[in-house]
Amino acid sequence: GQNIDQPTEMTATEGAIVQINCTYQTSGFNGLFWYQQHAGEAPTFLSYNVLDGLEEKGRFSSFLSRSKGYSYLLLKELQMKDSASYLCAVFDSNYQLIWGAGTKLIIKP
Amino acid sequence: DAMVIQNPRYQVTQFGKPVTLSCSQTLNHNVMYWYQQKSSQAPKLLFHYYDKDFNNEADTPDNFQSRRPNTSFCFLDIRSPGLGDAAMYLCATSSGQGPSYEQYFGPGTRLTVT
Repeated sequence: GQNIDQPTEMTATEGAIVQINCTYQTSGFNGLFWYQQHAGEAPTFLSYNVLDGLEEKGRFSSFLSRSKGYSYLLLKELQMKDSASYLCAVFDSNYQLIWGAGTKLIIKP
Repeated sequence: DAMVIQNPRYQVTQFGKPVTLSCSQTLNHNVMYWYQQKSSQAPKLLFHYYDKDFNNEADTPDNFQSRRPNTSFCFLDIRSPGLGDAAMYLCATSSGQGPSYEQYFGPGTRLTVT
């Protein structure tokens, strides 16, 4: 079967750094997305990785290791507005987007 | 601004009473998707259209139907809503079909079934 694993919930402090991990077991791999979803709102696109390595975009970075079936999202200089769920999603070999259940990130002052 | 619009944002319907959710887009994207998302769960793809080509996910219940009369509009019809159909329904679009095409989501419609 196809599976995306993320921690259910994480807590971090304002101004700190947090890393949200995602592991996947899918039938093939054609890219990995990270989306941010605030409570009661729609997901918004954060990043896309298809090759191994780190993609940096401002305070957010995303890393991919295809051999390990692993990605992480790194958030720096955390702000209260970063409190949200972060969803990992993988395109499999059939170009189906497989979604994780998301990691709820709680930021404390 | 180009965007994906969903109406209404909140919908209450009675058990067994048909309901239609609507989605429109000004992005002129070829692909439109309907997802169901329950609390703390992953979005579940119900249908997608590539232009007028309709693709029904294998495990989408027959109770759910969809229409796309033109590029801009897409509808989700729930013929006989059950309590288990209470969820957030998300419409999304993309300019193409494939891994490099990010999906743009509407704000969602939260459906309550009483």
